Amino acid sequence: KQEVTQIPAALSVPEGENLVLNCSFTDSAIYNLQWFRQDPGKGLTSLLLIQSSQREQTSGRLNASLDKSSGRSTLYIAASQPGDSATYLCAVANSNSGYALNFGKGTSLLVTP
Amino acid sequence: SQTIHQWPATLVQPVGSPLSLECTVEGTSNPNLYWYRQAAGRGLQLLFYSVGIGQISSEVPQNLSASRPQDRQFILSSKKLLLSDSGFYLCAWERKENEQFFGPGTRLTVL
Repeated sequence: KQEVTQIPAALSVPEGENLVLNCSFTDSAIYNLQWFRQDPGKGLTSLLLIQSSQREQTSGRLNASLDKSSGRSTLYIAASQPGDSATYLCAVANSNSGYALNFGKGTSLLVTP
Repeated sequence: SQTIHQWPATLVQPVGSPLSLECTVEGTSNPNLYWYRQAAGRGLQLLFYSVGIGQISSEVPQNLSASRPQDRQFILSSKKLLLSDSGFYLCAWERKENEQFFGPGTRLTVL
């Protein structure tokens, strides 16, 4: 059974810092990996999708990498802003359940002014 | 563009009452559809998924059920709610073998 772990569970940084969120998974036979953002009481917003054949994806100040063989992904956020404060979720899709996602418990990020 | 709707947004129900949550998707056809639950202090848990009309797969044994009466409609139901059914219910759609997009969620409180 796929298990997804995110470290750290919570992170507080001052505005302007670059930061890295970590995600690891136990079964490397994934189909793809997605990073999401969740604001309190809201649904999930997709940030980046990395297919299993890819090594990284970039969108604005966000960069996500994937090392499938070692079961790891990182989300890099450059020049953090208070508006980046949210919970960040990593999820991997395996093809054995209709490509359903297995989620980590998330990293709660607070960026202080 | 595609959009996904869920209703109601919030719901407070007594133990033993029935439940019906609805999810609809616009702007796409034949999507994979998913129901997830997010309970306090826990990660998102897959409940059901559907790859087509009338095709439902369950991941977790429970007193919930799901149905897909139309291509872009996915319904989550229960005949008798339990306290442990409280949580945040999220519906998602997916282009075949691709990125998943989530709805705004339904906050269910069972008292």
